[in-house]
Amino acid sequence: DSGVTQTPKHLITATGQRVTLRCSPRSGDLSVYWYQQSLDQGLQFLIQYYNGEERAKGNILERFSAQQFPDLHSELNLSSLELGDSALYFCASSVGQGAGGNTIYFGEGSWLTVV
Amino acid sequence: AQSVTQLGSHVSVSEGALVLLRCNYSSSVPPYLFWYVQYPNQGLQLLLKYTTGATLVKGINGFEAEFKKSETSFHLTKPSAHMSDAAEYFCAVTYTGGFKTIFGAGTRLFVKA
Repeated sequence: DSGVTQTPKHLITATGQRVTLRCSPRSGDLSVYWYQQSLDQGLQFLIQYYNGEERAKGNILERFSAQQFPDLHSELNLSSLELGDSALYFCASSVGQGAGGNTIYFGEGSWLTVV
Repeated sequence: AQSVTQLGSHVSVSEGALVLLRCNYSSSVPPYLFWYVQYPNQGLQLLLKYTTGATLVKGINGFEAEFKKSETSFHLTKPSAHMSDAAEYFCAVTYTGGFKTIFGAGTRLFVKA
């Protein structure tokens, strides 16, 4: 158990819909990361927050948005969903502002299926 | 551009044989290097990492990796494969002062009985 909690574990929704994925980081970790893993794209970095502020942005679509709240939990919002958004979405956390040499701890992921 | 290349999307070895998973990175600044493992239906977990100091790094489950700056490589090895090592392995890199961790495409390790 990494200490990173993600909900829901599985989600099936229709195209055009909007979903929210939730993440609680490990106790004491201030950085939260979101990754998308799919068969054709591999593991893609989406976005990172540190103590409520956006720190780094990766291949995140404009239809996707995220935020980190004062209690440090984070949400990833996916809207106008398309079939290609079906993937495993990981939340991860680390102590400290920069990734640097810090270990990133991953949650078990949220499986999103768009039908 | 900063990148991580894992040679071989699939590697198959026999139980008891040497495991060698290759990773090369591109960098103009000192990197921090990681190997993560992902077992089926689980998240990634850290195997080992190199930050500073000794270039041969030992990790969990008998794995080790050596940072070779001249070759810009960080290959993962294990002397004797076990069936339980079957998983996907990801090499990752971050850079001094950087916020982003870049992951390789992953190498799926198969272990034959």
